[in-house]
Order: sequence, then C-alpha cells, then structure tokens
Amino acid sequence: AAGVIQSPRHLIKEKRETATLKCYPIPRHDTVYWYQQGPGQDPQFLISFYEKMQSDKGSIPDRFSAQQFSDYHSELNMSSLELGDSALYFCASSTLGFEQYFGPGTRLTVT
Amino acid sequence: ELKVEQNPLFLSMQEGKNYTIYCNYSTTSDRLYWYRQDPGKSLESLFVLLSNGAVKQEGRLMASLDTKARLSTLHITAAVHDLSATYFCAVDTIQGAQKLVFGQGTRLTINP
Repeated sequence: AAGVIQSPRHLIKEKRETATLKCYPIPRHDTVYWYQQGPGQDPQFLISFYEKMQSDKGSIPDRFSAQQFSDYHSELNMSSLELGDSALYFCASSTLGFEQYFGPGTRLTVT
Repeated sequence: ELKVEQNPLFLSMQEGKNYTIYCNYSTTSDRLYWYRQDPGKSLESLFVLLSNGAVKQEGRLMASLDTKARLSTLHITAAVHDLSATYFCAVDTIQGAQKLVFGQGTRLTINP
C-alpha cells in the first residue's frame, strides 16, 4: 500500500538559511498535518490543511509557512533558520475525521 | 487546552517481566492512539481505541481505554528485548482537523 512520502529525508542547513520540506500524502487523502519533534521530545503539531485550505494552526513560528497544492502535496517553508529548529519533521495524511498516517520524517540539522 | 500525560517516562525492565504504561488526558476526546518509535524513526501505529472499555491486543502488547477516567493503559506481557523503544499515547481533539496531542513518551528499555 502507498504510504506518505517526505523529501528530503535528511537536510543540513546553516543558521539564517531557508529550508523547504515536502510531503506527498497517501492517494485520496485530503488532509495533511505537520509535526515537529525535537530531540527527546514528543511530536508537536504545527499546522494542517484540508482541501488545500489551512484548517488548524499550532505552535508554528512566524518564520515558517506552509501550503497545500492542487495535487494535495504540501510544503513547509522555514526561513531564518535557528539552531533550535533542528528536529524531526513529520508529515501525516488522512481522510478528514479518520486516522492519520505518518511519513518517515525529515531530519533537519541546523549548524 | 487538551493535555496528555504519560507515566512512567522512563522504564527499565528485565525480559520476561510484565509492566504497564499509563496515559491520562484532560478533556473528552474522540480517539486514543498508541505509537511506537525507534530512535530516529517514524511513528508506528500500534492501537486505535475508540470507545469506553475498548481493549486491543497484539502479541505481547495490550491496550485498554476508560473514557470515564480519561485513562488508557498499555500493558506489556513477558517483555522481550525487541520491545525496547519509546511509546507514545496521543489523542484527537474533537473539532477542526483533529490534530493529535501527544504524551511525553515512555522510553522503555528491556534488558536480557
């Protein structure tokens, strides 16, 4: 069965640089979620999209933005990167109201 | 604000022993999930519990849900080393796009 695809899987950036993370949901899933997991922490909800519209927003810094495109893939854009942005970033997808399925994650390292 | 608390946060146990991880949540939620995470890896879904009294079992793991007490348990029977991982519980919010709120995680180490 098709799963959630995230790219890249690993990313190394320097402080103040910009990063773009991509998420391709399971086919026919209309909802995408982004979560951030710092070292030794639990995943924290950042933002979600339903049918290409933002549906909920969590503790996402103003330096971050995201969108969902017409083909339902989503991108998380992160600017002015800080050391504290180093984390695992997970994307999950679902049909609205049903269980979320997680992608493999993108490990972002900011140096 | 929905809050989820797990205990213990760290658990070291011997192979062959039984133990239970507890998950409390603060407000009414639609569903409760248990996930397993190996270091640097994604979240593997173990159980989805939907209703009061729900019990699910898979191998040496059994999860239950008491919605009145807002409590879920993950019971490990006759632990084996391969079960060493971090276990998270998480709950849905009722409205909106149903983001997941996670507990802090329980880091389980099973020693031979």
